[in-house]
Amino acid sequence: SQTIHQWPATLVQPVGSPLSLECTVEGTSNPNLYWYRQAAGRGLQLLFYSVGIGQISSEVPQNLSASRPQDRQFILSSKKLLLSDSGFYLCAWSVLRAGAGELFFGEGSRLTVL
Amino acid sequence: AQKVTQAQTEISVVEKEDVTLDCVYETRDTTYYLFWYKQPPSGELVFLIRRNSFDEQNEISGRYSWNFQKSTSSFNFTITASQVVDSAVYFCALSEARGSQGNLIFGKGTKLSVKP
Repeated sequence: SQTIHQWPATLVQPVGSPLSLECTVEGTSNPNLYWYRQAAGRGLQLLFYSVGIGQISSEVPQNLSASRPQDRQFILSSKKLLLSDSGFYLCAWSVLRAGAGELFFGEGSRLTVL
Repeated sequence: AQKVTQAQTEISVVEKEDVTLDCVYETRDTTYYLFWYKQPPSGELVFLIRRNSFDEQNEISGRYSWNFQKSTSSFNFTITASQVVDSAVYFCALSEARGSQGNLIFGKGTKLSVKP
């Protein structure tokens, strides 16, 4: 069966420090991968998605970046965190293309920037 | 433009009451998909249901039921005989068939509290 894991689960970082959140999927090949952010009191906002290795699409301009070095690995990074980067980050995967498939989410990573 | 509106920010009910969570969507596409997710306090989003725009049949799964009405662009979710374990934030989401690469547009969620 397919599983998705992301880490770390909780992170407290000072403003200006770097960030690396990692997500891996098991049990499937060539998935679509997504990073969403959930800010307090708001819905989920799509940050990045990837349809294959090295292919990253950004939905929202910001100081975050994403990379997909391997088929089932998706990394969210920042060189210098801002206070506004605080939030709950969720990685997700799907197997179907063009809006037909449901997304399966990881456990989430809660980031607090101080 | 795509948009999902969940007008109810928070709902509180007593155990065994029925509760309906509203969802209204906007899309220009004729082919689209609607979803409901549950987010318990642990934070992980749990997939509940997917509906395509050509299937307006209502669906029932145990205590859960969904009412899809294209005429009013609504996809409402009803929990019958609610239980404390139903307490969570519920998200409605929309995905268009073309050009979206599968990403979902989420509403802001409805926080449901079921009290014993």
